[in-house]
Amino acid sequence: GQQLNQSPQSMFIQEGEDVSMNCTSSSIFNTWLWYKQDPGEGPVLLIALYKAGELTSNGRLTAQFGITRKDSFLNISASIPSDVGIYFCAGRAGAGAQKLVFGQGTRLTINP
Amino acid sequence: DVKVTQSSRYLVKRTGEKVFLECVQDMDHENMFWYRQDPGLGLRLIYFSYDVKMKEKGDIPEGYSVSREKKERFSLILESASTNQTSMYLCASSLGGQAYNEQFFGPGTRLTVL
Repeated sequence: GQQLNQSPQSMFIQEGEDVSMNCTSSSIFNTWLWYKQDPGEGPVLLIALYKAGELTSNGRLTAQFGITRKDSFLNISASIPSDVGIYFCAGRAGAGAQKLVFGQGTRLTINP
Repeated sequence: DVKVTQSSRYLVKRTGEKVFLECVQDMDHENMFWYRQDPGLGLRLIYFSYDVKMKEKGDIPEGYSVSREKKERFSLILESASTNQTSMYLCASSLGGQAYNEQFFGPGTRLTVL
């Protein structure tokens, strides 16, 4: 089946640093999504991308839909303590595709 | 705000027991999903439903069944729990169309099977 490879698996950074993570696929996706899971909660959608090359921001978060449609990137600028959590990428192959495929997650830890 | 609630945050069961995990959403969403979350594996889809009494298998349906008798409620059933079903179970719901992508998740049920 389709698989997403998300990296890095974990990050340990200082408050104020910028963060980058990415997700790659062996097959094409028409939609890329980024979710965040706070400790003890379910994931929450951060950004949705629908077009190859699209760059979308949500506050300090910026995500890009790769030109090849096989990858996506998420950047967080000037990290703060509440950015701690697990970030998941997810892809959907097409409008008719019935499920999202999730990456393994990137666990972000911030040292104050 | 959309609210997805799950019947228990923590559950401990014994091998061979029948286990019911309940999920309720309050926003009239057509689609509902059950995932399990394991470290290093991300979220894997067990079953989903796009309408009352309708169900579709996800990637890992073995050992599980589901029931959707009412639009707001989607139940996950472990007919005979086994230790390899120890995991975090997440329920989600969404509208149809492009809004399908915005899945609203419950807080999860951490199930331990002894």
